[in-house]
Amino acid sequence: GAGVSQSPSNKVTEKGKDVELRCDPISGHTALYWYRQSLGQGLEFLIYFQGNSAPDKSGLPSDRFSAERTGGSVSTLTIQRTQQEDSAVYLCASSPPRGLGEQFFGPGTRLTVL
Amino acid sequence: AQSVTQPDIHITVSEGASLELRCNYSYGATPYLFWYVQSPGQGLQLLLKYFSGDTLVQGIKGFEAEFKRSQSSFNLRKPSVHWSDAAEYFCAVGGNYGGSQGNLIFGKGTKLSVKP
Repeated sequence: GAGVSQSPSNKVTEKGKDVELRCDPISGHTALYWYRQSLGQGLEFLIYFQGNSAPDKSGLPSDRFSAERTGGSVSTLTIQRTQQEDSAVYLCASSPPRGLGEQFFGPGTRLTVL
Repeated sequence: AQSVTQPDIHITVSEGASLELRCNYSYGATPYLFWYVQSPGQGLQLLLKYFSGDTLVQGIKGFEAEFKRSQSSFNLRKPSVHWSDAAEYFCAVGGNYGGSQGNLIFGKGTKLSVKP
């Protein structure tokens, strides 16, 4: 079956602009996660959804970052007033219900803020 | 605090040689442990996972890992490395929070280079 998909694959924007990143999880997966991977760094957790609610958004770095999930499926990560330090690869992952934490990752969106 | 340490940032091995990538974790509850591989420009692919039971787990592409609770380690091994194994490898730990899944905590990764 289809895996996790993310769009766009690459996004170049100017400092101060808003961007939206999209994630389509594997069908039937109830949990959805956003991570950020900066050059030379590991994966930094941003936010976690169970269904449409976000029980853990502790990783969002500032109030410029927000995310929503609708219909228990697609999720959008929005970054307002982008800064150069937001440049990174944003990865989305999903997990099946009654799973044990195993996550399946999408290919990521590479964001470059000029 | 929960954390994962991968002591080796970069490892180079010869094709056909054996490989061991180290991973140590700090976790307050029973850990679920994972190894992921990331090729350049790609997302993360799950290699193997440990939840419970046999401490030696087999994964895809000929990889295996051994969970050692006494050492808080979950090292990844492969008996004979192929050139296509060149990639970055991430160890991660997670758990079941009263039935609700939480995020994984990742190490900073080990980049593997393979020389002919």
